[in-house]
Amino acid sequence: GENVEQHPSTLSVQEGDSAVIKCTYSDSASNYFPWYKQELGKRPQLIIDIRSNVGEKKDQRIAVTLNKTAKHFSLHITETQPEDSAVYFCAASRTGGTSYGKLTFGQGTILTVHP
Amino acid sequence: KAGVTQTPRYLIKTRGQQVTLSCSPISGHRSVSWYQQTPGQGLQFLFEYFSETQRNKGNFPGRFSGRQFSNSRSEMNVSTLELGDSALYLCASGGTERKETQYFGPGTRLLVL
Repeated sequence: GENVEQHPSTLSVQEGDSAVIKCTYSDSASNYFPWYKQELGKRPQLIIDIRSNVGEKKDQRIAVTLNKTAKHFSLHITETQPEDSAVYFCAASRTGGTSYGKLTFGQGTILTVHP
Repeated sequence: KAGVTQTPRYLIKTRGQQVTLSCSPISGHRSVSWYQQTPGQGLQFLFEYFSETQRNKGNFPGRFSGRQFSNSRSEMNVSTLELGDSALYLCASGGTERKETQYFGPGTRLLVL
């Protein structure tokens, strides 16, 4: 089955710096890669996602890049703010047919942004 | 639209008991997936239902089961609870246009004593 590795497990940055979180996946048939942000005691919230037919996607201060050949994808947060502090999870899944609905998650990255 | 809701939010049980958790998806969504979140194992997929049929199942013992009703609401049941079943149980619903996108509920925190 699919396996997703996420690094680093913790990341500490100063406000205004950039943060990068990296994930690798094992299933070459995976073609959907979402990122979730989970604040303490809250539900995971989808912040950005990318499909395998796209190499990069941006949404304001957040961007995701995908390298299908190397089977890795990354989350980039620019101009970090204290409210970006949370646990970030990457995930991967196949789509199509009965494959929808099964996400395999990385272990999570605890991001701390210091004012 | 209202988001995904889960009941109850907190639950305390003892070993050997069984428990039923409920999830109401976003209106119009027909897919409901369940995940277990623990500090040690992270987020792990349990199973997914679509139109009352289980489409996918993760690597959990048969004590974990679920079902989906005609209104897309879903329940999961854990029988013969073990201490290791203590976790946050999250459900997520998937849309009809972007089927792969999942939106999570607030979760049910289960503590087994």
